[in-house]
Amino acid sequence: NAGVTQTPKFQVLKTGQSMTLQCAQDMNHNSMYWYRQDPGMGLRLIYYSASEGTTDKGEVPNGYNVSRLNKREFSLRLESAAPSQTSVYFCASTLDRGHQPQHFGDGTRLSIL
Amino acid sequence: ILNVEQSPQSLHVQEGDSTNFTCSFPSSNFYALHWYRWETAKSPEALFVMTLNGDEKKKGRISATLNTKEGYSYLYIKGSQPEDSATYLCASLGGATNKLIFGTGTLLAVQP
Repeated sequence: NAGVTQTPKFQVLKTGQSMTLQCAQDMNHNSMYWYRQDPGMGLRLIYYSASEGTTDKGEVPNGYNVSRLNKREFSLRLESAAPSQTSVYFCASTLDRGHQPQHFGDGTRLSIL
Repeated sequence: ILNVEQSPQSLHVQEGDSTNFTCSFPSSNFYALHWYRWETAKSPEALFVMTLNGDEKKKGRISATLNTKEGYSYLYIKGSQPEDSATYLCASLGGATNKLIFGTGTLLAVQP
């Protein structure tokens, strides 16, 4: 059982480049999330999708866009990467937004030069 | 309390010691409290989801309690082992937002 799969695991970009982080889950979960993790800041929510067809902003959405492609897949796009977006990005999913735990992918380590 | 706060920030104990951490969260419109264990170079793994005031949950040597009226949860580890070394995160759903808000975690290091 794969759980939550994120690709790529590592990426180095130049300032101004764009890229999409991919996330897929095979647990038939309704809700999916994108977080970033920075030293001393904990996990901060970028965007989430409560159910297929909906997306909402989290704490730190500026500079990002998302697409809930179908129930399985939730992608995060950086249109014009900035050094401040250097971070580790985690995708997560859950069946029920509060009463069930979130399941996390292995993370994507992104460096913007 | 507007944010989720965890204390202490870090903790160093000897193998066999018992320890506990605190998570404080907004008590208004409380919905759920999550605890996760996060080992270095891995992803967070769920320990407990707690929803009712007075809830107590246990998994092996790890247990947690919940007080929704005053907005705090305790995580206890009995007889710490080196493999317990990790960052322990709590997250709260409720308050003024319907999003799960994470604390910054407590880093536990257990010396053999």
